[in-house]
Order: sequence, then C-alpha cells, then structure tokens
Amino acid sequence: EAGVVQSPRYKIIEKKQPVAFWCNPISGHNTLYWYLQNLGQGPELLIRYENEEAVDDSQLPKDRFSAERLKGVDSTLKIQPAELGDSAVYLCASSGTDNTGELFFGEGSRLTVL
Amino acid sequence: AQSVSQHNHHVILSEAASLELGCNYSYGGTVNLFWYVQYPGQHLQLLLKYFSGDPLVKGIKGFEAEFIKSKFSFNLRKPSVQWSDTAEYFCAVIGYNQAGTALIFGKGTTLSVSS
Repeated sequence: EAGVVQSPRYKIIEKKQPVAFWCNPISGHNTLYWYLQNLGQGPELLIRYENEEAVDDSQLPKDRFSAERLKGVDSTLKIQPAELGDSAVYLCASSGTDNTGELFFGEGSRLTVL
Repeated sequence: AQSVSQHNHHVILSEAASLELGCNYSYGGTVNLFWYVQYPGQHLQLLLKYFSGDPLVKGIKGFEAEFIKSKFSFNLRKPSVQWSDTAEYFCAVIGYNQAGTALIFGKGTTLSVSS
C-alpha cells in the first residue's frame, strides 16, 4: 500500500515569493491534514479536510496561506507571499474512517525562505 | 483545551541503557494516546498506541508505554536502547472518538544513543 506522498521534499525561495506544496493521501483515506513543524517543535495543525470540505482551518493564517482539496483526494497548500518565519517543515497526513485519531504522515516538505 | 507536555527535550544514552520518556496530557475526558517516532531523514511513523483495555501497550522495536489515568501520563519505555533508536519521539493525544478534532502533539524528545 502506497503511503502519503508529498512534493517537493525541499524548497528554497526568496521572501515575498509564492510557494505551493502538494499531497496525495493514502487511497481511501477521506481525512487529510496539513501540519506545520517548526524546528524543535511538534507538529501543529494548520487545516483538516473531510473529503473536499475544510472542517477545521482555525489555525491557518488566512492572510497568506490557502489550501484546497478540490476532488477530495489530493491537496495543495499555498503560501503567498512567503515570509522568513515560514521556514519550517510542512507535513501532510491522512487518516481512515475508524475515528481513532491515528495519522499516517508523508515525508514532509521542508521550506527555507531567504 | 487539550495539550501534551513532554518533559525531556534531549536525552543522551549509551547503548544498552534503559529509556523512559515522560508524557503528560491535559484533557478532561477519555483519550486515545500515541507515540510517534521520526528517524533521521524519515517521516513520522507510529510507534505504539493506546485506545482502551490493558494500560500497558507494546509497540514496535521493543518499545512499550504505560497509561496511568490518575496521573494523565503515557510514558514511553525501552529496557535496552540501541544506536538505531536515535530519533525524535513525539507523544500525541486525541479525545476518544472525537471525529471533530485532530491529534495534538507534544514538542518532542530527541534521543541520542551512542555506541
């Protein structure tokens, strides 16, 4: 079974530039999450999708961050414009329908903003 | 609000030493508890989980954790660590059967094992 796939693995951009991250969850997983992981910190939820609906985006900084999951499968997280403080790892995860909370993570996209 | 506290930021051990990483959570109801591990250059993966039943749960690679409800704790243990256990360890909690929420993670503990 294929795991959660994310791309790109690494991205270096200048501040004020846009950037986008892509995620394909495990097949059959309806719930998709984007987490932010700063250096030395645990993952923090940015947004959670149930199918194509964003059911929790309360922690997403909406002035510069946006996300979409148009067909309820893969998802894109965008930052525009990027700031120095956005340098971090952006993790995508998915979960099944058992409501246990167990997450399956991708390898993450490491963003460096110069 | 739910929160998770991991007491040790960085633990350094020699091979064969015993390991215990502390984790306390804040939540008023029934919880599901997890330990995730992130090996260098790899993605977060599940080490073990507790949903109900026997409070002593066993995971992969010889790890175990004990849920102590009265102490709101879920400490991770391993009797004898190996160099390959060098990784970052995250404790996480979610309210039981809380379909409307997501896992809350602690800040993580970095374990360095010297051979």
